[in-house]
Amino acid sequence: KAGVTQTPRYLIKTRGQQVTLSCSPISGHRSVSWYQQTPGQGLQFLFEYFSETQRNKGNFPGRFSGRQFSNSRSEMNVSTLELGDSALYLCASSLTGGLPKSTDTQYFGPGTRLTVL
Amino acid sequence: TQLLEQSPQFLSIQEGENLTVYCNSSSVFSSLQWYRQEPGEGPVLLVTVVTGGEVKKLKRLTFQFGDARKDSSLHITAAQPGDTGLYLCAGGLRSGTYKYIFGTGTRLKVLA
Repeated sequence: KAGVTQTPRYLIKTRGQQVTLSCSPISGHRSVSWYQQTPGQGLQFLFEYFSETQRNKGNFPGRFSGRQFSNSRSEMNVSTLELGDSALYLCASSLTGGLPKSTDTQYFGPGTRLTVL
Repeated sequence: TQLLEQSPQFLSIQEGENLTVYCNSSSVFSSLQWYRQEPGEGPVLLVTVVTGGEVKKLKRLTFQFGDARKDSSLHITAAQPGDTGLYLCAGGLRSGTYKYIFGTGTRLKVLA
């Protein structure tokens, strides 16, 4: 069974540009979560999608947005990039992603390393 | 804001030594997970504990969930260079939907 895949693996952009990152979850997984990882702030939750709907959202500005398609693939978009957006962006998929009585396991992809110059 | 503090932040030890990493919070978690992350890769789940006081063993790794479900520890016996990596704890919070709060991380280096 293929794992979570993320594309691209590396990306260099300049301030003010926008970027779209892609995540393909494990087959059969319907929940996709996005995280930002930086040396200073650690791993922080961006948002979670389930069945094409955003179900959970972290404390990030509106420049960060996402969507999920009917095949569960997800994209994350960051508009008007800032230097501080340089980070490793991780995607994680799980079967159900957190129904109230579930302790669903998250499987992470390798991440997309975004550098903003 | 829920926070998970890990200690120590950095640890450099010799092969064969034992070590313990701590994960502490003032919040009560429904579950606690430990991950290991290697450079250039995403975190890989090591274990999930869900019951207060629960102890789980995975070869040389022993995980414990605190009785009050606010803290956890990871103990490694006879560390090996292959144990080198970033160790992350993540607390599961159930508030409507399920959300994971990640710890600040412990970077472990085991020297041969």
